[in-house]
Amino acid sequence: DQQVKQNSPSLSVQEGRISILNCDYTNSMFDYFLWYKKYPAEGPTFLISISSIKDKNEDGRFTVFLNKSAKHLSLHIVPSQPGDSAVYFCAASAGWAGGTSYGKLTFGQGTILTVHP
Amino acid sequence: NAGVTQTPKFQVLKTGQSMTLQCAQDMNHNSMYWYRQDPGMGLRLIYYSASEGTTDKGEVPNGYNVSRLNKREFSLRLESAAPSQTSVYFCASEPALGSHEQYFGPGTRLTVT
Repeated sequence: DQQVKQNSPSLSVQEGRISILNCDYTNSMFDYFLWYKKYPAEGPTFLISISSIKDKNEDGRFTVFLNKSAKHLSLHIVPSQPGDSAVYFCAASAGWAGGTSYGKLTFGQGTILTVHP
Repeated sequence: NAGVTQTPKFQVLKTGQSMTLQCAQDMNHNSMYWYRQDPGMGLRLIYYSASEGTTDKGEVPNGYNVSRLNKREFSLRLESAAPSQTSVYFCASEPALGSHEQYFGPGTRLTVT
């Protein structure tokens, strides 16, 4: 039962254009969402996050949008740069209402982003 | 400040052999985690330790054991390796369970033949 899904295994964009990575979730107990970025042969690194009380969070070129009614979040990268080429994982965390799931991250399968010069 | 370190970086085992993956963090974090990453599966939680002295099962604990040796170190043991345990293993730490941002080590690539 995949509670967090990234349905696009890969995405290819031109440098300077917008990259949009999507993520869907099924567990209504999730109340915090994160995006991690992973380069080959390295561990994931935190990129940006959003609480369920917000619908948008912005950090420089990166913006995360949350649509709770649709159980969908997206990461926008504008403008995209070749150095953004990596695997992007979305992750979700349940609050206290999640019981034994509290605080633990559930990851999606990842989307490989390639930004062409 | 090295963050999260893992040893070894690579390992090849034969079926039935045992080994321990080591993880240490120098950020004074309370919570530590072990994940495995497989193609098309994302990262799946094997075991975690919310604080020193406690460990709990995650999503895929079968075939593994863990030890929270002290606040800094959290090891993962494979008692009898199987080909299904071929994977990349990541250790992570977090200031406290539920603080939301985890810091990952560089990973151990394990192949079981």
